Amino acid sequence: GAGVSQSPRYKVTKRGQDVALRCDPISGHVSLYWYRQALGQGPEFLTYFNYEAQQDKSGLPNDRFSAERPEGSISTLTIQRTEQRDSAMYRCASSLIGGLNTEAFFGQGTRLTVV
Amino acid sequence: QQQVKQSPQSLIVQKGGISIINCAYENTAFDYFPWYQQFPGKGPALLIAIRPDVSEKKEGRFTISFNKSAKQFSLHIMDSQPGDSATYFCAAADGGSTLGRLYFGRGTQLTVWP
Repeated sequence: GAGVSQSPRYKVTKRGQDVALRCDPISGHVSLYWYRQALGQGPEFLTYFNYEAQQDKSGLPNDRFSAERPEGSISTLTIQRTEQRDSAMYRCASSLIGGLNTEAFFGQGTRLTVV
Repeated sequence: QQQVKQSPQSLIVQKGGISIINCAYENTAFDYFPWYQQFPGKGPALLIAIRPDVSEKKEGRFTISFNKSAKQFSLHIMDSQPGDSATYFCAAADGGSTLGRLYFGRGTQLTVWP
């Protein structure tokens, strides 16, 4: 597609349920990033991949959060046993690897609400 | 701990005026400093970026000024227009030649009055 595509756009789930958020990066982009953005705040790094390899997962808040990118393209961020504090906008971004002026392109995000 | 500190939180400027947003950082390993623009309901989009080997970069009405010794950088929007009204985020990364994790500031909500 033309840009980074995320689905669903909105997700309401009950506390304790698992959710899976999907990201389809720009075709040909090697790097894929997950960020979380609270209202009125800047994006907060969660994890990123180069191809299918998870390069840095230091931003994942706890072990309820996990991400995968098995074929080096589409990625899924999974949150198990959701809690109300997990409510936020989850954003995916992708970029070409390498280069001094690499740009990360962000998707429109998935708004997660845990009730 | 906020790696990149951004100010002001909000800014109101008259059409034609200059908008100035400031950011400061501590980590001397940072070597890439982008600014992102975000409109309501949209994801952040790269506006302009700078590397620490230059002190200023200009693209149209947008200029980044970079002060390596003070560990500060700022965005100047000349001749501000109502269409510039958005939230602006500064960021920093230490990815070297490859982009890795970005550390974002908290954002500045800019309103340009016609």
